[in-house]
Amino acid sequence: KAGVTQTPRYLIKTRGQQVTLSCSPISGHRSVSWYQQTPGQGLQFLFEYFSETQRNKGNFPGRFSGRQFSNSRSEMNVSTLELGDSALYLCASSFRTARETQYFGPGTRLLVL
Amino acid sequence: DQQVKQNSPSLSVQEGRISILNCDYTNSMFDYFLWYKKYPAEGPTFLISISSIKDKNEDGRFTVFLNKSAKHLSLHIVPSQPGDSAVYFCAARGNYGGSQGNLIFGKGTKLSVKP
Repeated sequence: KAGVTQTPRYLIKTRGQQVTLSCSPISGHRSVSWYQQTPGQGLQFLFEYFSETQRNKGNFPGRFSGRQFSNSRSEMNVSTLELGDSALYLCASSFRTARETQYFGPGTRLLVL
Repeated sequence: DQQVKQNSPSLSVQEGRISILNCDYTNSMFDYFLWYKKYPAEGPTFLISISSIKDKNEDGRFTVFLNKSAKHLSLHIVPSQPGDSAVYFCAARGNYGGSQGNLIFGKGTKLSVKP
């Protein structure tokens, strides 16, 4: 069974731009969670989607948003990029809820210049 | 305030010996704990988990111990192998209103297993 895939793997943007990252969960998984990993803060929860609805949200500004499609694929968007948004963005999927074991994709490394 | 702490940023162990990675947490409402392993340029890989109703879970060379009274868990790897060299993250899952199960991670411990 194919794992979680994320595109693109690497991205360079400049301040003020916006970016959209994509995540395809493991086949049959309906819950998708997003995390931000930075050297200083470690892995921090962004939000979780299930059945096209945001079910839970972490403590991030409104510039960070996401959505989920009917095939469970998910996208996250960051608008008005700041230097501090440079990070590894990880997507994780689980069967029904984030309370089950989550399986991570390889991540998208975003560099904001 | 960090709810999940891994106080050792790095650990170096000789091949064949035991690796012990530690994790402390502050929230007594956590009901499930997980360990993930992460290689560079890859996402975290699930390793082993333990429910708060247990004090030990074993899977091959990996054993996780949970001490609820001390709010402490540890991951034991025996015997350690060079391929175990990676960053290990401890994660806890909440079971209280509003948490809905999102994982709270420690900042990781980089394990180096020397041949």
